[in-house]
Amino acid sequence: EVQLVESGGGLIQPGGSLRLSCAASGFAVSGSYMSWVRQAPGKGLEWVSVIYSGGTTLHADSVKGRFTISRDSSENAVYLQMNSLRDEDTAVYYCAKVSRKYYLDAFDIWGQGTMVTVSS
Amino acid sequence: DIQMTQSPSSLSASVGDRVTITCRASQSISSYLNWYQQKPGKAPELLIYATSTLQNGVPSRFSGSGSGTDFTLTISSLQPEDFATYYCQQSYSTLWTFGQGTKVEIK
Repeated sequence: EVQLVESGGGLIQPGGSLRLSCAASGFAVSGSYMSWVRQAPGKGLEWVSVIYSGGTTLHADSVKGRFTISRDSSENAVYLQMNSLRDEDTAVYYCAKVSRKYYLDAFDIWGQGTMVTVSS
Repeated sequence: DIQMTQSPSSLSASVGDRVTITCRASQSISSYLNWYQQKPGKAPELLIYATSTLQNGVPSRFSGSGSGTDFTLTISSLQPEDFATYYCQQSYSTLWTFGQGTKVEIK
């Protein structure tokens, strides 16, 4: 069964750092596009970062220079290193597998999410 | 970045009603449009991809249409399990963006 399980969320002070993990099962993260999507409390979805199968990464402007996505093939996991955290980074962070559907990409497998709260 | 705007932001409807949600892109995205359903406290689920193709297991009462900048999601006969928030998302640009969501509530 294809599954994603996130961990690592919690309460962190502004300016602090946190690393989220996403453990995958049923497929290899190294052969897939993997992404992080976040959702602030009561708000909509915001794409954050992607790591392509070739290893190239891309980040939303809102987190560029502060967040870094990476993966570990031996652990079959994806990570999101979050530095210089701000109040506005408070959100549920979802790990998602991106699949090519015909000619476009779609988030077709999602984890259950992990909550990150940035507050003093 | 490509901005995605959904309307309405919320709607109230009864079981059996036909419901239509609109999504507009700030520039042409051809047919690079996906729809997701999210129930309270749950992760989103892919509903429709490439504008009009239903993801496996999605009931046929859901349909999608459009191209360019204007898209619609239609539920032909609303069922109790369809009360949720729906999001559109563009994959035309490498900087993927979502609409703000449309909450479908029980009347």
